[in-house]
Amino acid sequence: DAGITQSPRHKVTETGTPVTLRCHQTENHRYMYWYRQDPGHGLRLIHYSYGVKDTDKGEVSDGYSVSRSKTEDFLLTLESATSSQTSVYFCAIRAGGENEQYFGPGTRLTVT
Amino acid sequence: AQSVAQPEDQVNVAEGNPLTVKCTYSVSGNPYLFWYVQYPNRGLQFLLKYITGDNLVKGSYGFEAEFNKSQTSFHLKKPSALVSDSALYFCAVRDGDWGSSNTGKLIFGQGTTLQVKP
Repeated sequence: DAGITQSPRHKVTETGTPVTLRCHQTENHRYMYWYRQDPGHGLRLIHYSYGVKDTDKGEVSDGYSVSRSKTEDFLLTLESATSSQTSVYFCAIRAGGENEQYFGPGTRLTVT
Repeated sequence: AQSVAQPEDQVNVAEGNPLTVKCTYSVSGNPYLFWYVQYPNRGLQFLLKYITGDNLVKGSYGFEAEFNKSQTSFHLKKPSALVSDSALYFCAVRDGDWGSSNTGKLIFGQGTTLQVKP
């Protein structure tokens, strides 16, 4: 698992509420990524980080924000959850010279 | 723009037979290509990668992949399938010609479910 944990692993929330998902890594990797996985779409990049306080948008960033105040933690916030954000969310780190990524176990989020 | 296509939603194969999971890609520069596997209720696991060199790349669990530049393909193969290989497989690509600002962003295909029957 490349020392990556995600919390919570499952969450059910109501439309309109804010939600924060946490990704924690123990190996001091510079690059971290948040993806969502939906049937028929594979994995799509939401946001990524290339260092403390350095983040940028991915292809599906609307409705999401991120923060990285420490190397080991990368937080994903749904500012006001909508049913279209029901998904499985994966965090990843980039390791090695050729940029393969290693993934956490995922968080299953249901917005009712 | 970069893109990846996995033309088959599902591949069915009998145990002991060879398997192929197809992937085609589009990048503007030289491709870095990856295969990942996902077992039910688990995260993605890295299987193998092509960066440069030999067109046949060997990876974990007996899998290999063949890079074909002229056909822009990177098909995943295994000579003899096991029931335990049944899972969801993802192909991913990034442009290898990025410079020091390379962010390592990957583009994933939509996934192919492999079903191996006893």
